[in-house]
Amino acid sequence: NAGVTQTPKFRVLKTGQSMTLLCAQDMNHEYMYWYRQDPGMGLRLIHYSVGEGTTAKGEVPDGYNVSRLKKQNFLLGLESAAPSQTSVYFCASSYFSLYEQYFGPGTRLTVT
Amino acid sequence: GENVEQHPSTLSVQEGDSAVIKCTYSDSASNYFPWYKQELGKRPQLIIDIRSNVGEKKDQRIAVTLNKTAKHFSLHITETQPEDSAVYFCAASSGNTPLVFGKGTRLSVIA
Repeated sequence: NAGVTQTPKFRVLKTGQSMTLLCAQDMNHEYMYWYRQDPGMGLRLIHYSVGEGTTAKGEVPDGYNVSRLKKQNFLLGLESAAPSQTSVYFCASSYFSLYEQYFGPGTRLTVT
Repeated sequence: GENVEQHPSTLSVQEGDSAVIKCTYSDSASNYFPWYKQELGKRPQLIIDIRSNVGEKKDQRIAVTLNKTAKHFSLHITETQPEDSAVYFCAASSGNTPLVFGKGTRLSVIA
């Protein structure tokens, strides 16, 4: 099993460009999450999904959109990137809400 | 909503000593408290968790204690080793809302 995978691993964007980050899990988990990690700020939840076809806002959702068309995939979109979105993005999945979250390897995004 | 505060932000200990990291939470409905370890450049991984129906849980050199009355929980690492050096995150959830993480503690174990 690959667990949780993320694509791409690194990306550099110019201000105003758009991109999509892909998260995939092969553990048949219901819940999926997108976090951003900035120095000294811990892990902040951007959006999450409690099942195929569902999405919900987390703590810092502005400037991001998500979709979960298939149970195994959770996409994070940036429509118009800003330097403030420079961060490391982690995807995670879990069986249900009070279960272990399995994290992907992360995507390092730089917006210039 | 839930607010989780974690202290200290950095901690240095001599190899073989114990390390303690403390977290407080605000939502009395929270009933799940995991701890994640993140090594440099790696993804966070669960090391131990505790649910509100127990006050303490141990796994070899790692233990977590929970005081629901005071709304705080702690991670205890005994006989620290260099490979324990990492950032540790606490988190809390009631199940109705997603996990909320603390800001992390950078633990350095000095050989």
